[in-house]
Amino acid sequence: DAGVIQSPRHEVTEMGQEVTLRCKPISGHDYLFWYRQTMMRGLELLIYFNNNVPIDDSGMPEDRFSAKMPNASFSTLKIQPSEPRDSAVYFCASSIGQIYNEQFFGPGTRLTVL
Amino acid sequence: SQQGEEDPQALSIQEGENATMNCSYKTSINNLQWYRQNSGRGLVHLILIRSNEREKHSGRLRVTLDTSKKSSSLLITASRAADTASYFCATEGGFENNDMRFGAGTRLTVKP
Repeated sequence: DAGVIQSPRHEVTEMGQEVTLRCKPISGHDYLFWYRQTMMRGLELLIYFNNNVPIDDSGMPEDRFSAKMPNASFSTLKIQPSEPRDSAVYFCASSIGQIYNEQFFGPGTRLTVL
Repeated sequence: SQQGEEDPQALSIQEGENATMNCSYKTSINNLQWYRQNSGRGLVHLILIRSNEREKHSGRLRVTLDTSKKSSSLLITASRAADTASYFCATEGGFENNDMRFGAGTRLTVKP
């Protein structure tokens, strides 16, 4: 298995633009997580899905952020409009069976908003 | 918001020495996990310890959990330069809060 796949690996955009981050979880995993990592705030859980259904989005910073999982093999995290303070590394992770099982992380997307 | 807090924030040791990192948390948990992150990479799962366990081993790793003190420690024995990375603890909460929260991490540098 190729592991969790994220794209793009790097994204540079200007303030106000829409940004879409993509994630393909490991096949067969039924939990998918989106995290954001910054020096100031560390690693934060934004939202997670179970069987494509959003379960907890309390970590989503504000309405500019939205996440979808249209099927078991694909999820997106969208920021519209983007702001410089959204600059961070965004990780997607997946796990199987239960939320507290081992999570497998993707390589991350480094987002820079100018 | 973060749940676990690791200390120290940074640790520098010589190859061959042992490295001990600590994690404290605030609320009750179901389990605690340790992850490693190499610079610019995603996190890699190291070990999971459940709330009813006190100690767990995996190779050169030893994890302890003290639920009465709400703390855990990760010991890496006979460290190697390749162990240089950031180490995070992640807690999975109880019934009311069953998502995972990560600490800020400990940056470990192992000098050859």
